[in-house]
Amino acid sequence: TQLLEQSPQFLSIQEGENLTVYCNSSSVFSSLQWYRQEPGEGPVLLVTVVTGGEVKKLKRLTFQFGDARKDSSLHITAAQPGDTGLYLCAGAHSNTGNQFYFGTGTSLTVIP
Amino acid sequence: NAGVTQTPKFRILKIGQSMTLQCTQDMNHNYMYWYRQDPGMGLKLIYYSVGAGITDKGEVPNGYNVSRSTTEDFPLRLELAAPSQTSVYFCASSYTYPGPLASYNQPQHFGDGTRLSIL
Repeated sequence: TQLLEQSPQFLSIQEGENLTVYCNSSSVFSSLQWYRQEPGEGPVLLVTVVTGGEVKKLKRLTFQFGDARKDSSLHITAAQPGDTGLYLCAGAHSNTGNQFYFGTGTSLTVIP
Repeated sequence: NAGVTQTPKFRILKIGQSMTLQCTQDMNHNYMYWYRQDPGMGLKLIYYSVGAGITDKGEVPNGYNVSRSTTEDFPLRLELAAPSQTSVYFCASSYTYPGPLASYNQPQHFGDGTRLSIL
């Protein structure tokens, strides 16, 4: 099993604050995806990163893939209540590219 | 387009009963997946399929069976329901390029889930 650990597991912050969510593994991934899931719905893709050191921005969200492609981070600037949800990272290997291994998730609550 | 559609949305089973969770997609995706999501455990892959007629086991296949007779449909069957199979089940699909680009997987599109309780 390719274990992806996310931290923190739970996060509750005030609107306007910044936060960072981490996704770590001992395995090297060929690509890594971040999803957001809202209650009662399936996960929705936010971003895919494939190159070590890659940084992608999606409005107030910044995603980084570690140089060794074993870890990733998601930084949210000036969090909004609409950012509330479960954030999941998922990694795939080139030799088993059919399978994605999901992290344990970070549940974020942004308080107005 | 409807995307990925799962039925039913909710179901309660008794121990030992069987049922089939339905999943269909209208995006002509070649890959389809079944996951289960338990509280605090993330998503675990049960089975996946790279195309019609081809299926493979994921991390947690025991107690489940799948088939892929068409590109659109990927049903998941529970033959003898057990309390440990109480979970939320998600079906997903994606288009993955063959060959050297296989490592760059396209996004997975998820259904809204089936909430299954076994009592």
